[in-house]
Amino acid sequence: EIVLTQSPGTLSLSPGERATLSCRASQSVSSSYLAWYQQKPGQAPRLLIYGASSRATGIPDRFSGSGSGTDFTLTISRLEPEDFAVYYCQQYGSSPPRTFGQGTKVEIK
Amino acid sequence: EVQLVESGGGLVKPGGSLRLSCAASGFTFSSYSMNWVRQAPGKGLEWVSSISSSSSYIYYADSVKGRFTISRDNAKNSLYLQMNSLRAEDTAVYYCAREAGVVAADWYFDLWGRGTLVTVSS
Repeated sequence: EIVLTQSPGTLSLSPGERATLSCRASQSVSSSYLAWYQQKPGQAPRLLIYGASSRATGIPDRFSGSGSGTDFTLTISRLEPEDFAVYYCQQYGSSPPRTFGQGTKVEIK
Repeated sequence: EVQLVESGGGLVKPGGSLRLSCAASGFTFSSYSMNWVRQAPGKGLEWVSSISSSSSYIYYADSVKGRFTISRDNAKNSLYLQMNSLRAEDTAVYYCAREAGVVAADWYFDLWGRGTLVTVSS
């Protein structure tokens, strides 16, 4: 089973700043089959990025994903007020379990 | 409208049972693999179970194996999760989620329901 470790646990930033979130896998993720989700309080998760770097439909281009193998990054180029949320990575390239990282909370500084 | 709507959550005593449902609409339900994902209060996301489009492939997290059963009825556009021998640690919001496609490159979850809360307490 692939274990995903996200860092930092909490990121305190101001609107307009750049956010860099990390997701590290315990073993190589097949073909960069890694996704990122955003979750706001009281809401379901929303798909942001799949295939490590492809934006889902309707996701603004300030969100970008990169990485391969065991190290992946989600970058938010300029934080908007609506971007303060919890972000999860997930690997899906192998048979289940489809593991998630523990999440990174992006909070307003 | 493309959507998933969960139902069936509630308060149940330890050792009890509950059956969750997820109603799909706006897309060809029978073409997609489906999943259950849960989130304990204040915690992260935990994948629970998945079922392929024709129910040929079924998987469970170790934490629920032997106690939970996933199933689907493509004629009714519905996904189910039968939960038996419930424990306090099963308390969570349970989401159903759709896999985007049939090939590995599309096994991410592109559509989520709003969730249903299951509370296991005496």
